[in-house]
Amino acid sequence: QSVLTQPPSVSGAPGQRVTISCTGSSSNIGAGYDVHWYQQLPGTAPKLLIYGNSNRPSGVPDRFSGSKSGTSASLAITGLQAEDEADYYCQSYDSSLSGSRVFGTGTKVTVL
Amino acid sequence: QVQLQESGPGLVKPSETLSLTCAVSGYSISSGYYWGWIRQPPGKGLEWIGSIYHSGSTYYNPSLKSRVTISVDTSKNQFSLKLSSVTAADTAVYYCARHDHSGYDDFDYWGQGTLVTVSS
Repeated sequence: QSVLTQPPSVSGAPGQRVTISCTGSSSNIGAGYDVHWYQQLPGTAPKLLIYGNSNRPSGVPDRFSGSKSGTSASLAITGLQAEDEADYYCQSYDSSLSGSRVFGTGTKVTVL
Repeated sequence: QVQLQESGPGLVKPSETLSLTCAVSGYSISSGYYWGWIRQPPGKGLEWIGSIYHSGSTYYNPSLKSRVTISVDTSKNQFSLKLSSVTAADTAVYYCARHDHSGYDDFDYWGQGTLVTVSS
């Protein structure tokens, strides 16, 4: 099982703000390693959404933002839109697993 | 525009070896970055398998290390995955991706993925 825990699902009405947490430990997020976020639309490959905790790749709307504190990280989506309905995964590095890159358990965002 | 495309058999028998190739276009593998494989069992989350540099340097997921080999062919601008002694638990969509190992350590470009089913 993953060492990064996310809520299985979150939901919100169009225009609302939702947040997704990614909880780790002292061997990954808490050790200072960067957290990245991916969006996976139904039936498609994951797409990099946030890198280095809070940076957006070119083309990603500023409605998406990331933050990190202690052993956790968060992804916020403001002004939720129907097209944001997807699965979201966090990812980091874990020093206790011989240099393994680890993904979160994933969160399904539903737009009501 | 960096593009990646996975290819290989969609059906592999139990105990045999799964082999996939990822062709890269729009960027020369020899120019840098690591190149990785990630898989996703049906209805489940993502699992990093391993990554390789153009020099051949590799990093593997410890849980799969004994069965995984990743290689690179810079002349064809592609890299490959071999996973031995497969079981039904290895049934998944396999993605290849560019791994910014020396930067932020994210996976910034992904292939579309290919479904591999392990079944007799």
